[in-house]
Amino acid sequence: QVQLVQSGAEVKRPGASVKVSCQASGYTFTNFDINWVRQATGQGLEWMGWMNPKSGNTGYAQKFQGRVTMTRNTSISTAYMELSSLRSEDTAVYYCAIIIVLPATVPPYWGQGTLVTVSS
Amino acid sequence: DVVMTQSPLSLPVTLGQTASISCRSSQSLVHSDGSTYLNWFQQRPGQSPRRLIYKVSNRDAGVPDRFSGSGSGTDFTLKISRVEAEDVGVYYCMQGTYWPSFSFGPGTKVEIK
Repeated sequence: QVQLVQSGAEVKRPGASVKVSCQASGYTFTNFDINWVRQATGQGLEWMGWMNPKSGNTGYAQKFQGRVTMTRNTSISTAYMELSSLRSEDTAVYYCAIIIVLPATVPPYWGQGTLVTVSS
Repeated sequence: DVVMTQSPLSLPVTLGQTASISCRSSQSLVHSDGSTYLNWFQQRPGQSPRRLIYKVSNRDAGVPDRFSGSGSGTDFTLKISRVEAEDVGVYYCMQGTYWPSFSFGPGTKVEIK
């Protein structure tokens, strides 16, 4: 079965960077894009971007361009999301997710989430 | 980026009544293949999101038939009939038409009156 296991919680100072990992299992890692979605406490879901594990191609939401970098290590079936120049508003749970459009019948798979706290 | 909006943002509902949530997109969600990739998610407190509806009106496996989706183009609706206590949570619409880019609505919080 498909599993996405994320790295543990992080506490960072404003201005620092954070790198969250997402290890995939139960399927061929290069078959599906990995998306990153975040959720600030008490707030909504916010799609951040996607990465194609086969090619390494990426696409980021306009809001995060210039601050987010999504990469992967195919030898260990792991995707990474790095967010730089952190500010307090970046305090959130970060999820990796597989969102399959075709076939549409397959529901998304989610990691368990990684809490990133930005505080001085 | 396609912008998704929802209304209302908060929806108190009486048990057994019907809840209706509206979702609008800034661009048509009709894909070049003719399909409309509009999804609805439910997020219960403390849980990850769960998809309820895909392609406007198709329920995912295990989703009660009290949940129904409708709409076209840029305007969509999720209805929850005979609301139960377990339906409390936040509901999000999400477009997949412009895959690989996605976007979520701001969410509608459903609570029991």
